[in-house]
Amino acid sequence: QQPVQSPQAVILREGEDAVINCSSSKALYSVHWYRQKHGEAPVFLMILLKGGEQKGHEKISASFNEKKQQSSLYLTASQLSYSGTYFCGTVDSNYQLIWGAGTKLIIKP
Amino acid sequence: GAGVSQSPSNKVTEKGKDVELRCDPISGHTALYWYRQRLGQGLEFLIYFQGNSAPDKSGLPSDRFSAERTGESVSTLTIQRTQQEDSAVYLCASSSGDREADEKLFFGSGTQLSVL
Repeated sequence: QQPVQSPQAVILREGEDAVINCSSSKALYSVHWYRQKHGEAPVFLMILLKGGEQKGHEKISASFNEKKQQSSLYLTASQLSYSGTYFCGTVDSNYQLIWGAGTKLIIKP
Repeated sequence: GAGVSQSPSNKVTEKGKDVELRCDPISGHTALYWYRQRLGQGLEFLIYFQGNSAPDKSGLPSDRFSAERTGESVSTLTIQRTQQEDSAVYLCASSSGDREADEKLFFGSGTQLSVL
């Protein structure tokens, strides 16, 4: 079952912060985050395994709450280069990666 | 090559024709995935290859779709008797591990298929 991402889209000014959420109705083994710029391939950001860990990538970090079956991606002091569509992928006990519909992030100068 | 290579990058075809899309994964990557991405949508799983194991074809939308991979090399996705609803970007990804649960995927740039 496809995870639900929210919001569907967000517009920020450069330097502002954003949070993107990813929720599943199933117990999760891991959560993946990727960013896709327009016309390009998705690019890996991070994988979070169950255990509630938090990871970071530049000024982008994420948390995984396995009890709530959700993950959040935090973008701090956003830069123009952060623009794109962010996809979460969730993995349950079947070890299949299922993608959310994406969150479109637009950063304005 | 340094990354996952897909060809052609663009393909325009007429309804009813067959098309073949190619994916060249990163050397040494045993796992290969095909996804379909419609305009403004997420990634729709099509098929998964892992080494010499039987592929997971559970995502193929109809029997017009098929894919092959020989060993750990190139894969081809074939769509027969194309329909307008097949228009999409077809993305290929590879990874080094045998479980996509905790393996990083490397994506190709995709093939934009347009069926007229």
